[in-house]
Amino acid sequence: GESVGLHLPTLSVQEGDNSIINCAYSNSASDYFIWYKQESGKGPQFIIDIRSNMDKRQGQRVTVLLNKTVKHLSLQIAATQPGDSAVYFCAETPGGGADGLTFGKGTHLIIQP
Amino acid sequence: NAGVTQTPKFQVLKTGQSMTLQCAQDMNHNSMYWYRQDPGMGLRLIYYSASEGTTDKGEVPNGYNVSRLNKREFSLRLESAAPSQTSVYFCASSELWGKLAKNIQYFGAGTRLSVL
Repeated sequence: GESVGLHLPTLSVQEGDNSIINCAYSNSASDYFIWYKQESGKGPQFIIDIRSNMDKRQGQRVTVLLNKTVKHLSLQIAATQPGDSAVYFCAETPGGGADGLTFGKGTHLIIQP
Repeated sequence: NAGVTQTPKFQVLKTGQSMTLQCAQDMNHNSMYWYRQDPGMGLRLIYYSASEGTTDKGEVPNGYNVSRLNKREFSLRLESAAPSQTSVYFCASSELWGKLAKNIQYFGAGTRLSVL
């Protein structure tokens, strides 16, 4: 079946550096994408979203890039801080409905002091 | 605001026992969802309720039943628990109104279930 997945299970970065977390999706009908952050022992927390009619969207210290040609999504975190340490998931859903989200397996972001 | 509240936080069951996981949201959201998360995995959809009075199966519905009790509450029932149902269960809700509605789902803290 179609699924959303991530390229790397673990990403280690130095505090203060920028982090880039990647995600590949296979469902060409995907219309809406979300990045979630999950800290240990907690539920996923919404970070940023993007619709398929956009290539880029910026939030506070985060940017999501969408390349529909190669079905690739990335999350960029600027000036990574210790509090950014978590597992990051991309999720996808067809637009216009209340369908559930399809999640990737996640990337564990580790911040080195 | 509490957001999405799940009870209990932890539960241990023996094989064959039954239990109901409770979920309530105070954001007046229309849609509610149940997911499970296994170690090292992303979340997988069990059941969802697009609106009060409706429920639909997700990716992994076998062994589960749900009830949308009212707009606030959506429960998940395991009739005869199996070790394969050991997992962390998350409930989520989504507002979803309007033509350009976004399905941003807000999650509870989870219920950690072990079936022995």
